[in-house]
Amino acid sequence: NAGVTQTPKFQVLKTGQSMTLQCAQDMNHEYMSWYRQDPGMGLRLIHYSVGAGITDQGEVPNGYNVSRSTTEDFPLRLLSAAPSQTSVYFCASSWTGGSGANVLTFGAGSRLTVL
Amino acid sequence: GQNIDQPTEMTATEGAIVQINCTYQTSGFNGLFWYQQHAGEAPTFLSYNVLDGLEEKGRFSSFLSRSKGYSYLLLKELQMKDSASYLCAVRDSNYQLIWGAGTKLIIKP
Repeated sequence: NAGVTQTPKFQVLKTGQSMTLQCAQDMNHEYMSWYRQDPGMGLRLIHYSVGAGITDQGEVPNGYNVSRSTTEDFPLRLLSAAPSQTSVYFCASSWTGGSGANVLTFGAGSRLTVL
Repeated sequence: GQNIDQPTEMTATEGAIVQINCTYQTSGFNGLFWYQQHAGEAPTFLSYNVLDGLEEKGRFSSFLSRSKGYSYLLLKELQMKDSASYLCAVRDSNYQLIWGAGTKLIIKP
């Protein structure tokens, strides 16, 4: 049981380049999300999805696109990288609904540097 | 606006007890979470409180007072491996998580 798998772990881009961060989970979770983590700040939600074919914007969506064609996969696309997108990115998933905690399970993270 | 406040850094001694506080102001409340994050790693779930009171899990306990917008994480019998950042997060009325910036806990021998 792999949990949440993110690739790549490290990436260096030049300003204006595009790339995709991959995220896959094998827990059959309906909810998947992308966060960025910057020093001195809390985790900030970029985009999220509550099921295949359904995506929505979080707190900081500009410059990023997502799609959810299957339950397992939720890639994050940077359209034209900017130095402000230098950050650590985490994919996270959970169950939805009910009255439980629906705890997030995080991937290992992807450290992106934009020069 | 929505806000989660926690101390930036705390230092404690191995074997001692430390309390990490979290205060929040959010649009609604649907639960409070504590996560642990070691340097360079992903956050991992520690505890969840939705009703007032104390939840105990081994060496870790978490307390919630909804009327005061306040929680704390209590770590007992501190070990060197407890050196990490501790993240407080509140789920608001839209079921979105609002995260604090985290408290870096340094354990000294």
